[in-house]
Amino acid sequence: LAKTTQPISMDSYEGQEVNITCSHNNIATNDYITWYQQFPSQGPRFIIQGYKTKVTNEVASLFIPADRKSSTLSLPRVSLSDTAVYYCLVGGFSGNTPLVFGKGTRLSVIA
Amino acid sequence: GAVVSQHPSRVICKSGTSVKIECRSLDFQATTMFWYRQFPKKSLMLMATSNEGSKATYEQGVEKDKFLINHASLTLSTLTVTSAHPEDSSFYICSASGQGAATGELFFGEGSRLTVL
Repeated sequence: LAKTTQPISMDSYEGQEVNITCSHNNIATNDYITWYQQFPSQGPRFIIQGYKTKVTNEVASLFIPADRKSSTLSLPRVSLSDTAVYYCLVGGFSGNTPLVFGKGTRLSVIA
Repeated sequence: GAVVSQHPSRVICKSGTSVKIECRSLDFQATTMFWYRQFPKKSLMLMATSNEGSKATYEQGVEKDKFLINHASLTLSTLTVTSAHPEDSSFYICSASGQGAATGELFFGEGSRLTVL
């Protein structure tokens, strides 16, 4: 299972764009890249998933370079409620392969 | 999106008792469920993988006789912490994947916080 590396923590002011980069040098051909958000005492919540290039949904964008050895989660105009831990995971195609969590990035949004 | 529900969300028990945590997939058939535990300010640690109708596969270092996992139906998996001790106090989270779930996407329950006195 591919190992991921993310910054341990980040701080941002409200209204700013936040970019969290994740390294996954050993990503396999059939691995997808998925980002989850976790608030204290809650289960992780799916944010976005991609395989290559760029993916955008109503809450975030995910940028994946051609070599797929890294990815960047972009959160536009963060608010205080975006304070959470963000996990980058790489996983298999089938959905029967467990997702292995790294340490995640603790984002603190400041007013 | 798919919903996974855990029950109870919080449980407090005395040392030596057993506690059962349920994980249900509410709107899809979960052929595979995963159980994680999480200590304060730490990441999720995978405990075991369970497939419907077969024995769970435990990660290295996880005692299978301590953490009994049953996945008897496509919508329910249970984790029983047997003879619980204070060091078993943790946040337990299940996730599910299966028919109807997006490729490679897992859905997580709300988590169950176990406190053993």
